[in-house]
Amino acid sequence: NAGVTQTPKFRILKIGQSMTLQCAQDMNHNYMYWYRQDPGMGLKLIYYSVGAGITDKGEVPNGYNVSRSTTEDFPLRLELAAPSQTSVYFCASSSRTTEAFFGQGTRLTVV
Amino acid sequence: DQQVKQNSPSLSVQEGRISILNCDYTNSMFDYFLWYKKYPAEGPTFLISISSIKDKNEDGRFTVFLNKSAKHLSLHIVPSQPGDSAVYFCAASDYNDMRFGAGTRLTVKP
Repeated sequence: NAGVTQTPKFRILKIGQSMTLQCAQDMNHNYMYWYRQDPGMGLKLIYYSVGAGITDKGEVPNGYNVSRSTTEDFPLRLELAAPSQTSVYFCASSSRTTEAFFGQGTRLTVV
Repeated sequence: DQQVKQNSPSLSVQEGRISILNCDYTNSMFDYFLWYKKYPAEGPTFLISISSIKDKNEDGRFTVFLNKSAKHLSLHIVPSQPGDSAVYFCAASDYNDMRFGAGTRLTVKP
């Protein structure tokens, strides 16, 4: 089972560039999440989705956008990359009453 | 605002002894609580959970205790093993989003 797949694993962006972090899950989970983890810090919720077509802001949504056109995919878009967005990004999925399964993470550096 | 707090950034215990990791939350709407374990360069992996209707859940060496009135939960690992060394995250969910604490780095010394 693939579980939650994130691509790319690593990326270096220049300030002002844009990119999309991809996330796909094959467990038919309705709930999907994007978190960022800064060095030595916990996981901060960026956006989440409770089903296809539904998204909502988390704790730190500024500078990001998401979409959820299918149950499987939950891409995270950075429009104008800033150094403050240097972080490790984790995507996760869950059903309503089970634990979340996480991807391996995307390490993003903005220079 | 930090709705889930882990006030101890690190904990060191001797192999064979008990490890106790603590977590506090502020949002009374949280109904489901989880502990995750994370190794470097990997995503968090689920360890154990508890719903708000229970005060204890046990799975092998791991036990989670929930005190709803105090908005506090703890994870007990006994006996602790060197392979338990990792960062442990507490998480809380209201069945919509899921919020995490800052994590506690556990080191189990042989």
